[in-house]
Amino acid sequence: EAGVAQSPRYKIIEKRQSVAFWCNPISGHATLYWYQQILGQGPKLLIQFQNNGVVDDSQLPKDRFSAERLKGVDSTLKIQPAKLEDSAVYLCASSLVSGKLGEQFFGPGTRLTVL
Amino acid sequence: SQKIEQNSEALNIQEGKTATLTCNYTNYSPAYLQWYRQDPGRGPVFLLLIRENEKEKRKERLKVTFDTTLKQSLFHITASQPADSATYLCALDPNYGQNFVFGPGTRLSVLP
Repeated sequence: EAGVAQSPRYKIIEKRQSVAFWCNPISGHATLYWYQQILGQGPKLLIQFQNNGVVDDSQLPKDRFSAERLKGVDSTLKIQPAKLEDSAVYLCASSLVSGKLGEQFFGPGTRLTVL
Repeated sequence: SQKIEQNSEALNIQEGKTATLTCNYTNYSPAYLQWYRQDPGRGPVFLLLIRENEKEKRKERLKVTFDTTLKQSLFHITASQPADSATYLCALDPNYGQNFVFGPGTRLSVLP
């Protein structure tokens, strides 16, 4: 079974530029998550989708971050404009079932450096 | 304020010994707690979930305990191997919403 795919793996941009990340979850997984992991910290949830609807975006900085999941499969996360503090690894995860007992499968992440 | 703390940043142990990692939390009342393994350049991998009414859970060489009175979970790896070297994250259910909150992780190095 193929895992969660993410691209690009690495991205370097200057502050105030925009950037987009792509995620393809495991086939059949209805729930998709985006996390931000700053160096030395645990992942922090940014947004959760159930199919193509948003379940939780309470920690998404909506003035600069946006995410969509068209057709309930792939998802993109965008930052516009980027700030220095956005430097982090952005992880995508998916699960077959939502809720606290649904095991999450993580992708390899995209490492973003903002100069 | 709410806080999740794990061991000091790094833990070094000798191969064959038991590694014990700690997850302490403040101002949470989780019903569930999870442990993940994360290797450099990779996403976390789920290992175990323990419920508040389960004092202990085992999977192969792994054992997790959950003490709601002490507000602590312990994660043990017995007969540790260099391949167990990784960062281990605990994540707890904050009892609101559907999602877990992660601790900062402990980097474990098992020395041959």
